[in-house]
Amino acid sequence: TQLLEQSPQFLSIQEGENLTVYCNSSSVFSSLQWYRQEPGEGPVLLVTVVTGGEVKKLKRLTFQFGDARKDSSLHITAAQPGDTGLYLCAGARVTSGSRLTFGEGTQLTVNP
Amino acid sequence: DVKVTQSSRYLVKRTGEKVFLECVQDMDHENMFWYRQDPGLGLRLIYFSYDVKMKEKGDIPEGYSVSREKKERFSLILESASTNQTSMYLCASSWYETQYFGPGTRLLVL
Repeated sequence: TQLLEQSPQFLSIQEGENLTVYCNSSSVFSSLQWYRQEPGEGPVLLVTVVTGGEVKKLKRLTFQFGDARKDSSLHITAAQPGDTGLYLCAGARVTSGSRLTFGEGTQLTVNP
Repeated sequence: DVKVTQSSRYLVKRTGEKVFLECVQDMDHENMFWYRQDPGLGLRLIYFSYDVKMKEKGDIPEGYSVSREKKERFSLILESASTNQTSMYLCASSWYETQYFGPGTRLLVL
């Protein structure tokens, strides 16, 4: 059973467009993290959100944690080719210690 | 700066061989993890360790074992490699819930 559902699985857009990636679950998470992975490399942490309703901004990226801490979204404004990569959400639960549950990922391609 | 290194970036092995994948972290983290990553399946946890000589099975431990003799080093062992173990293997260490990943080892079993 996949506890974290990410959508869409694939996204191909033109430079300058906006996009949103969703991460949904029926489970409550104590925190949720977003990672970006480039080809041939390991995932790199972008942000951690811990409070229900929290919004964090990282330049053109906006991350939101749902009020009930069951879902999250990543919005990219004016996407650039350098944003291309695999975006992964990962949730932590109090009962799981340091283990994370990962979504399947969203492969984003931004075409120039 | 946080660093997790993996012994090989690419590896080609034959069916039945014993394969060792090594991971080293320089951050004095207690927790270390081994995942495999396959298209459409995301990251799946194989084993993790929360202390030296301590290990726990993840979601897909069959066909794998691990060793953690020193805090900084966590090894993944494929006792008898099979073609269905062809995959990208990622090691991570963690500070609380934040995981830091190595660059990955792409393993091909022929």
